[in-house]
Amino acid sequence: DGGITQSPKYLFRKEGQNVTLSCEQNLNHDAMYWYRQDPGQGLRLIYYSQIVNDFQKGDIAEGYSVSREKKESFPLTVTSAQKNPTAFYLCASSIGSQGAEKLFFGSGTQLSVL
Amino acid sequence: GQSLEQPSEVTAVEGAIVQINCTYQTSGFYGLSWYQQHDGGAPTFLSYNALDGLEETGRFSSFLSRSDSYGYLLLQELQMKDSASYFCAVENTDKLIFGTGTRLQVFP
Repeated sequence: DGGITQSPKYLFRKEGQNVTLSCEQNLNHDAMYWYRQDPGQGLRLIYYSQIVNDFQKGDIAEGYSVSREKKESFPLTVTSAQKNPTAFYLCASSIGSQGAEKLFFGSGTQLSVL
Repeated sequence: GQSLEQPSEVTAVEGAIVQINCTYQTSGFYGLSWYQQHDGGAPTFLSYNALDGLEETGRFSSFLSRSDSYGYLLLQELQMKDSASYFCAVENTDKLIFGTGTRLQVFP
């Protein structure tokens, strides 16, 4: 079955630590996205990528970094510079920039600070 | 800047009809999407409007008025399983900008 896989489901970060959230898709989609969701809030865009080896900052990129070395993979690193990282992180993909209206989401990673 | 406004919460009973409104202000606009998210789950795509008018998909319909920067999601014959959060999202060039969501509670 095609889809988006995020791992781990739950992640804990210590002070000063960088952590990486995994996102893999086998839908052959060109575009991938990372959103952050705080309790009772909407989704805010962190980073997105329309093509391999290229990515753009979203509205809340500070304290985060990404890479897009393969079409299937778009990992997100939450750095120690992100002072309030506790949130639900959602990865998504779309066919391409022309299909951005329909996103396919992974099941999310809940990140908490110890 | 960009902003989307939705009511924070709506309640209804089974079998009823409910309308969730969305007004938006964006620098670029390609279309309006709607997503459903159950607690702890991932958002799932419901519908998309690029042009003015009504799009119908089963019990759900979505409407757009570009001149009014306004859209709505209409849910008919409500079922308990429709209890969830609903998000409108503006397609802005190559990305989606989401609203803060409307929590729908359906009562028996």
